[in-house]
Amino acid sequence: EDKVVQSPLSLVVHEGDTVTLNCSYEVTNFRSLLWYKQEKKAPTFLFMLTSSGIEKKSGRLSSILDKKELFSILNITATQTGDSAVYLCAVFLFTGANSKLTFGKGITLSVRP
Amino acid sequence: DGGITQSPKYLFRKEGQNVTLSCEQNLNHDAMYWYRQDPGQGLRLIYYSQIVNDFQKGDIAEGYSVSREKKESFPLTVTSAQKNPTAFYLCASSIRTGAQGDTQYFGPGTRLTVL
Repeated sequence: EDKVVQSPLSLVVHEGDTVTLNCSYEVTNFRSLLWYKQEKKAPTFLFMLTSSGIEKKSGRLSSILDKKELFSILNITATQTGDSAVYLCAVFLFTGANSKLTFGKGITLSVRP
Repeated sequence: DGGITQSPKYLFRKEGQNVTLSCEQNLNHDAMYWYRQDPGQGLRLIYYSQIVNDFQKGDIAEGYSVSREKKESFPLTVTSAQKNPTAFYLCASSIRTGAQGDTQYFGPGTRLTVL
């Protein structure tokens, strides 16, 4: 059975802290890993990772994939209260007509002022 | 504005009733998806469709039905056979489902409560 496991499940930090969110996976037919941020409603896309060791960066957020050890991390530096959200990791499994995303349970991040 | 719309935002239903959730996109995306989100459970795939007039069951299709008569629209019906329908329902779309995967873009969701 395909599994995507995120850790920790929840995290409370203070503004200015740096956080690292983890996503590990045990799947067949892996093609890519995606990170989303969900504040209240619709998840918004952050990153798609397909190659090991290549960091993707957007402002204070960055992410990297390790296809040998089967995990990804999402780093947020100098956190702000606006970073408070649920962060979702998803793995794209390619099986032709049945290709799909499998999501982890999400990490709830709370950033205190 | 391009995007995905879902309606209604909130929906209340009595037990034993079927209810249909709307999802429309004007992004010209081929693929559309329905997910269910429960507290602490992440997103679980209900149904998806890669082209018009074709759709596949996801991981938790029992008690749900869909149709894809138009590229822009992918309505989800929650039937009375769904044992625990109270949840947050998210619709998504992507350009296509290619070998690397395409980014899925989400609508704002419908919160369904069964009374």
